[in-house]
Amino acid sequence: RKEVEQDPGPFNVPEGATVAFNCTYSNSASQSFFWYRQDCRKEPKLLMSVYSSGNEDGRFTAQLNRASQYISLLIRDSKLSDSATYLCVVNGTLLTGGGNKLTFGTGTQLKVEL
Amino acid sequence: DVKVTQSSRYLVKRTGEKVFLECVQDMDHENMFWYRQDPGLGLRLIYFSYDVKMKEKGDIPEGYSVSREKKERFSLILESASTNQTSMYLCASRSQGNEQFFGPGTRLTVL
Repeated sequence: RKEVEQDPGPFNVPEGATVAFNCTYSNSASQSFFWYRQDCRKEPKLLMSVYSSGNEDGRFTAQLNRASQYISLLIRDSKLSDSATYLCVVNGTLLTGGGNKLTFGTGTQLKVEL
Repeated sequence: DVKVTQSSRYLVKRTGEKVFLECVQDMDHENMFWYRQDPGLGLRLIYFSYDVKMKEKGDIPEGYSVSREKKERFSLILESASTNQTSMYLCASRSQGNEQFFGPGTRLTVL
């Protein structure tokens, strides 16, 4: 089983739609969770952290379900500029020198269309 | 503004050549990472470094080595490039927190 699993998509949605992505993780000891966004031929960038109580940043809402070991990202009122690949990221193994290794999902591709 | 730079955006090399990929960060971060990204496989950790001259193997270190002589610079070396090392290589850095900042990537093609 992969450490972090995502549906690769693509999710093709019309502008203004609401779309949700899920991600499951296998390491029950994971403490920190993130969504990164990666535009075509660009590097990944942090979109938002995911907190236990759920959190919102404008049109984006992230949720965590520890019991079922999944996290979700909801995008409301989709814009053309939201078209990108969304990477689910989970921290795990402690690294030598401090901090944790981040494990990246393979990403879910979103295409927002007119 | 946070910045991670990589020496080349695109690189074409021949099988057997020695390849150097350079990464520089200006944020005084302790931790630096090298990943490769391939379709369907996502980002895979090759090596990381948590201090000058300190390095640790990631998940797929075979065929690679690294060097960190200065805090801001982390180099990835392919001793003898092979076609299966054709990939996008991404460098990243972070402090003790979890946000990682990535460089723009180097798309390496080995012929």
